[in-house]
Amino acid sequence: GEDVEQSLFLSVREGDSSVINCTYTDSSSTYLYWYKQEPGAGLQLLTYIFSNMDMKQDQRLTVLLNKKDKHLSLRIADTQTGDSAIYFCAPRPPGGYNKLIFGAGTRLAVHP
Amino acid sequence: DTEVTQTPKHLVMGMTNKKSLKCEQHMGHRAMYWYKQKAKKPPELMFVYSYEKLSINESVPSRFSPECPNSSLLNLHLHALQPEDSALYLCASSQDWGSTDTQYFGPGTRLTVL
Repeated sequence: GEDVEQSLFLSVREGDSSVINCTYTDSSSTYLYWYKQEPGAGLQLLTYIFSNMDMKQDQRLTVLLNKKDKHLSLRIADTQTGDSAIYFCAPRPPGGYNKLIFGAGTRLAVHP
Repeated sequence: DTEVTQTPKHLVMGMTNKKSLKCEQHMGHRAMYWYKQKAKKPPELMFVYSYEKLSINESVPSRFSPECPNSSLLNLHLHALQPEDSALYLCASSQDWGSTDTQYFGPGTRLTVL
């Protein structure tokens, strides 16, 4: 089955860019999602990329997909304290039902 | 509107209690999901309902009993839980279940079993 890995912690200064990385094993994953979870809250959909794309930009967010290396990244430009949260990478393998495979999550800490 | 609501926000129950968690969406979605999230872990899928029928049960113990009374509502009935069942229970919905439709999550119910 799909295995998803993320680094557990990232600390950045306010105003800098953050890059959160994710590697996965199932190269046939169709959609790859990024969710954000603030403390004590549910998951908020941030963005997603379809497997036939290599880049998607949405305001401060840029998603890069390297299908050959099975590597996904999320770049947050001009990181703010409100971006402090846990970020989950979640590829969706093909076939079957709509099951997301979540990575362990990366805790982003933004400091002044 | 992409809102999924869940009640209650917090729940404390004893091991002999019976309680229910509720989830509601008004986006016309036909697939609804229950996830369990332990502290510092990612969400784990428990159940999937599609068109009000249980489609997937990820080998969840029978002390958790889901119910989908109509297309907008999803319940999770709890009975004889164990302390290790304490977790954040998340509900999600999507347009359909067999496609690549995006799942939208509710804020969760934080359950503590004493």
